[in-house]
Amino acid sequence: NAGVTQTPKFQVLKTGQSMTLQCAQDMNHNSMYWYRQDPGMGLRLIYYSASEGTTDKGEVPNGYNVSRLNKREFSLRLESAAPSQTSVYFCASIRVAGDIPPDTQYFGPGTRLTVL
Amino acid sequence: GQQLNQSPQSMFIQEGEDVSMNCTSSSIFNTWLWYKQDPGEGPVLLIALYKAGELTSNGRLTAQFGITRKDSFLNISASIPSDVGIYFCAGAMYSGGGADGLTFGKGTHLILQP
Repeated sequence: NAGVTQTPKFQVLKTGQSMTLQCAQDMNHNSMYWYRQDPGMGLRLIYYSASEGTTDKGEVPNGYNVSRLNKREFSLRLESAAPSQTSVYFCASIRVAGDIPPDTQYFGPGTRLTVL
Repeated sequence: GQQLNQSPQSMFIQEGEDVSMNCTSSSIFNTWLWYKQDPGEGPVLLIALYKAGELTSNGRLTAQFGITRKDSFLNISASIPSDVGIYFCAGAMYSGGGADGLTFGKGTHLILQP
């Protein structure tokens, strides 16, 4: 049981290049999330997928797109990378949300992205 | 959007002393979580709180969900060197069928006193 996995671990892009960050979870979780973490800013939600087939914007969605490929996988795409997107990106998942106390969010190890 | 104010921003700790940090929100949450992040790693959950007034412990860690639902605190007793790291509070407002993401504080850096 690997939990939440992310690839790649590190990436350097030039301004204008595109790339896709991959995330997968093997815990049969319903909901998945993408966050970015910048120094002094904590983690901020980019996009989330409450369940397979749905995606919604979070706090900072501009410049990103997402795809919930299946229940296991949730990818984040940068179509035209900008230096302001230099950050550490974390994927997270949660089993179910609802009226009962929800399970907690589990985080992947992160992708460190630098845009030159 | 919602704002979480976490304090202190950083603090030096000496082995054996108790540590406190807190988080306040501009709006209410029905879930408060405390995470620890080590360098190069993702956040790891320490304590989860689901009811106003709830006090929960995990070893030397104790956290409380404030009565107003707008605040939470975390205490670490008898700190040890491995407590060094960044601690984040996070709040969520879960509702039936909704799985919104977490709102995070900016973190409290615990640094070992040389």
